[in-house]
Amino acid sequence: NAGVMQNPRHLVRRRGQEARLRCSPVKGHSHVYWYRQLPEEGLKFMVYLQKENIIDESGMPKERFSAEFPKEGPSILRIQQVVRGDSAAYFCASSLEDRPYGYTFGSGTRLTVV
Amino acid sequence: AQKITQTQPGMFVQEKEAVTLDCTYDTSDPSYGLFWYKQPSSGEMIFLIYQGSYDQQNATEGRYSLNFQKARKSANLVISASQLGDSAMYFCAMREARTGNQFYFGTGTSLTVIP
Repeated sequence: NAGVMQNPRHLVRRRGQEARLRCSPVKGHSHVYWYRQLPEEGLKFMVYLQKENIIDESGMPKERFSAEFPKEGPSILRIQQVVRGDSAAYFCASSLEDRPYGYTFGSGTRLTVV
Repeated sequence: AQKITQTQPGMFVQEKEAVTLDCTYDTSDPSYGLFWYKQPSSGEMIFLIYQGSYDQQNATEGRYSLNFQKARKSANLVISASQLGDSAMYFCAMREARTGNQFYFGTGTSLTVIP
């Protein structure tokens, strides 16, 4: 299966710990997008990255959240000092170019903060 | 204002019947795309169908069709001949040309197909 791979599928963290979510895009895709889905809500845009560059982070909380997409390796969404309100499903999507039709979503990482 | 509104939190349909899931949208951008995604209980987001704002005909993909009424700003999803495997959450989404990067999603409709 050459789809978007996200790991871990489930992640449990205690308040104050760091959470690292990984996303390997479809092979050859150079555009990565992160979305957050809170319980009972639709997905909300967080950040758009190309290799080594953050293109649009208008949906990212200003503090504790960061994202990267290095030249080699997966994209990482990092949440420092997690709080209960960070509990959500985090989805990654990738595309070959910045075209909406070519979006492929991963299966998500479900973060639970206890 | 909400960009995407889905007013049906939950819907039930008899197997083999057709069902319509409602979606209205709000944008002043003349160029936009409308999408429907299915999210089964396993959690992944599955692309179903796409409609461009300049498309003259309603989009169709197998048992899925999109009832696009531009003047009313609605993009309802019609599923024909429902199957038990259609039970899932369904999300309507929009992407605008001017904002480009991001999708705006609705809150979803939970569809249950009854045997």
